[in-house]
Amino acid sequence: GENVEQHPSTLSVQEGDSAVIKCTYSDSASNYFPWYKQELGKRPQLIIDIRSNVGEKKDQRIAVTLNKTAKHFSLHITETQPEDSAVYFCAASKGGSYIPTFGRGTSLIVHP
Amino acid sequence: DAGVTQSPTHLIKTRGQQVTLRCSPKSGHDTVSWYQQALGQGPQFIFQYYEEEERQRGNFPDRFSGHQFPNYSSELNVNALLLGDSALYLCASSFGGRLEQYFGPGTRLTVT
Repeated sequence: GENVEQHPSTLSVQEGDSAVIKCTYSDSASNYFPWYKQELGKRPQLIIDIRSNVGEKKDQRIAVTLNKTAKHFSLHITETQPEDSAVYFCAASKGGSYIPTFGRGTSLIVHP
Repeated sequence: DAGVTQSPTHLIKTRGQQVTLRCSPKSGHDTVSWYQQALGQGPQFIFQYYEEEERQRGNFPDRFSGHQFPNYSSELNVNALLLGDSALYLCASSFGGRLEQYFGPGTRLTVT
């Protein structure tokens, strides 16, 4: 089955800095890669996703890049703000299954 | 437009007991997936229901069972509870074969 590795497990940055979270996947058939943000005690919320026919996608301060050859994808957050502090999960799934395999999460702490 | 809802919010049970958790999908969604999220981990897929049938199943024992009703709402049943079943149980809904899933707030189950 699919295996998703996520790094780092904890990321501490100063407000205004950029943050990068990286994930690798094992199944070359995976073609959908969502990112979720989970604040303490709350539900995971889909913040951005990318499909395998696209190399990069941006939405305001967040962007995701995908390297299919290397089987890795990354989340980039620019101009971080304290409200960006949360646990971020990457996931990978493939058509026909639509069941995402999640990484173990990255705790992002943005210091004011 | 109501999002995904789950009940109850919290639940405390004793080892060996049985529990039923409930989920109502986002309006317009017909597919419900259940996940178990242990503390500090990413969500782990339990199973998915579509058209009142279990369409996909993850690596969980038969003690975990479910049901989907004609109005697309769903139940997760866990029999013979173990201490290790203590976790946040998340429900996510989607429409048909679409990849985007939206999570509910979860039910925190504690087994003592």
